[in-house]
Amino acid sequence: DADVTQTPRNRITKTGKRIMLECSQTKGHDRMYWYRQDPGLGLQLIYYSFDVKDINKGEISDGYSVSRQAQAKFSLSLESAIPNQTALYFCATSDRTSSTDTQYFGPGTRLTVL
Amino acid sequence: RKEVEQDPGPFNVPEGATVAFNCTYSNSASQSFFWYRQDCRKEPKLLMSVYSSGNEDGRFTAQLNRASQYISLLIRDSKLSDSATYLCVARMTTDSWGKLQFGAGTQVVVTP
Repeated sequence: DADVTQTPRNRITKTGKRIMLECSQTKGHDRMYWYRQDPGLGLQLIYYSFDVKDINKGEISDGYSVSRQAQAKFSLSLESAIPNQTALYFCATSDRTSSTDTQYFGPGTRLTVL
Repeated sequence: RKEVEQDPGPFNVPEGATVAFNCTYSNSASQSFFWYRQDCRKEPKLLMSVYSSGNEDGRFTAQLNRASQYISLLIRDSKLSDSATYLCVARMTTDSWGKLQFGAGTQVVVTP
């Protein structure tokens, strides 16, 4: 079984709809992240969380919100989806004791907003 | 200006050949560097860290040039399975956490 899972894997929605992307991990890591990837751009950090009570904005948090329901679960919400939020979304985890802070990514969610 | 810049490629490489490519970073405060590999439509995975003295992992060699602010990756004896996009990553601190800056990736296509 995959250590980091994301649901759904693909989603097509309409402008204005509320969307939730979910991420679960079995790695036991305390740190979790949400990134988006657009063609020609590097991965951009949306939000990150170092533990259940810690939520931080990344570089492109506008239009997004997150919830850390448990150490193993970190969900991303688009309150009112817009077409320029069409992208590939990755959840990632890392271990705070790692000197390299290696990111372990989920398989991604391909979101299309019409 | 992007903080981490990469030639998008593609670099078309015959099987068995050597390919090398660089990435440049703009923030001199960047302290740690990594190469991640991303297969088409899949998640990125850490390939290797990049150390100041340069480091090798099998057929892969990474170099860091702080004076010119670039990182390089060299792949020797290319295999078909090396076809992927290679993401250059910089981190601003050597502390236990620092935000990662990802490049957009360099695509490598190894041909038979």
